[in-house]
Amino acid sequence: AQSVTQPDIHITVSEGASLELRCNYSYGATPYLFWYVQSPGQGLQLLLKYFSGDTLVQGIKGFEAEFKRSQSSFNLRKPSVHWSDAAEYFCAVGASTSYDKVIFGPGTSLSVIP
Amino acid sequence: GAVVSQHPSRVICKSGTSVKIECRSLDFQATTMFWYRQFPKQSLMLMATSNEGSKATYEQGVEKDKFLINHASLTLSTLTVTSAHPEDSSFYICSVTSGRPGEQYFGPGTRLTVT
Repeated sequence: AQSVTQPDIHITVSEGASLELRCNYSYGATPYLFWYVQSPGQGLQLLLKYFSGDTLVQGIKGFEAEFKRSQSSFNLRKPSVHWSDAAEYFCAVGASTSYDKVIFGPGTSLSVIP
Repeated sequence: GAVVSQHPSRVICKSGTSVKIECRSLDFQATTMFWYRQFPKQSLMLMATSNEGSKATYEQGVEKDKFLINHASLTLSTLTVTSAHPEDSSFYICSVTSGRPGEQYFGPGTRLTVT
């Protein structure tokens, strides 16, 4: 079974600073990996996903993530954070089978200082 | 992506009563939908997989007699919380799978408060 961890429960960055959110996964085969963002009281929005191919994935809102198989990681990055990026971020891993079950990490709460 | 709606967005019910939450896929025929529960400041926990025309598949530890799932059509799945208790208060989110591995579209969620 797949699992995912996000080591950082909460991160605070200044507006304009760079951001990296960490994600580590556990899965026996090549995983499908996702990053979602959730604003308070809202549903989830998909930022980006990795299925195969280029290990550097570009997403919406200026986010990118890099899949590193050797480290079982899929860290999310943004070069310059905006105040509107403050939200909860979830990394998720899916099984590379026809069954679309996706397991979510515990989440990282991002605060942005003006 | 698919548009997914949930109704109601917010519901308050008394302990011991049942409440039904609807999840609709507005522009996509969904043979499979997922139901998640999210407690405050926590992650999403998969509760069950809803399959059109067949019984739902529940995750370990989720009581199938308490959380009744019906997926009667390709656009509608319902989750009924029976004999609700305050500990069932949570944010319930459904998702629709596109059929491509791992690709899901999420509804806006339903906030359930049991008093």
